[in-house]
Amino acid sequence: QVQLVQSGAEVKKPGASVKVSCKASGYTFTDYYMHWVRQAPGQGLEWMGWINPNNGGTKYAQNFQGWVTMTRDTSISTAYMELSRLTSDDTAVYYCARDFGGYDFWSGYFDYWGQGTLVTVSS
Amino acid sequence: QSALTQPASVSGSPGQSITISCTGTSSDVGSYNLVSWYQLHPGKAPKLMIYDNTKRPSGVSNRFSGSKSGNTASLTISGLQAEDEADYYCCSYAGSSTLVFGGGTELTVV
Repeated sequence: QVQLVQSGAEVKKPGASVKVSCKASGYTFTDYYMHWVRQAPGQGLEWMGWINPNNGGTKYAQNFQGWVTMTRDTSISTAYMELSRLTSDDTAVYYCARDFGGYDFWSGYFDYWGQGTLVTVSS
Repeated sequence: QSALTQPASVSGSPGQSITISCTGTSSDVGSYNLVSWYQLHPGKAPKLMIYDNTKRPSGVSNRFSGSKSGNTASLTISGLQAEDEADYYCCSYAGSSTLVFGGGTELTVV
C-alpha cells in the first residue's frame, strides 16, 4: 500500500534552516510528482510547490521562491523540502502529498499524504 | 497569489444538505475546470473528495458533489451525517503549474 513517512518534529531558531524528508513506499517513486503543503497553527492549508522525482524538476509557489528548495534521492525513494531563513511565521505542520496523476503526469490533486512534520521556530 | 475565499464555518443537521462556496478570480477558479476539495479530520491525513470541479475519486460517497459557476466553485454534501463533520478546503489550479488553496471551512453537524 502507498505510504509517505515523514521525518520527525523539529525545533529551530529564527534564521536557521530546516530539511524535512518524505520517504515513499508502495509505488514507483519516480512515476508521481510530489507536492509540499503546510498548515500553520489555526490557519489554512498553503501550497508550497512540487518536485518531479523523475527528473528533479521543481515549481515553487511565489511566496516561497528564493527560500524553499525541494530535492529528491531516487535511490531511497525520498523527497526533501528545505526551508531557509526561518521566522516564527514558519511554525507549521509540513506535509508531503503525492500527485494524483501518475506516470509523469501532473494533475494538481493529492491522493496520498504524509503524516505531517511539525516545525517550530522559536528563540 | 491570494487564497481562495471560503466561509469560515457552516452547519447543518443530520439528513440536511449544505453547500460550501469557494470564490476565486479569473486567474484561477474562473479560468480552469481544475478545482478540488479536501476533507480534513483532526489527526488524520486530508482526503481528496472532489477533483476536476465535479468528479469523485473511487470510494468517495455520492453524497458529495461539486460544481462551478464563474469564479465560484461549490461543494454540496447531501444527507448530512455526523462523520461529515470536518474542515473542508478547496484548491484551484492557478496557471503555470501552480495551485492555490482556500482558507478552509469548518463544517459542524448539529
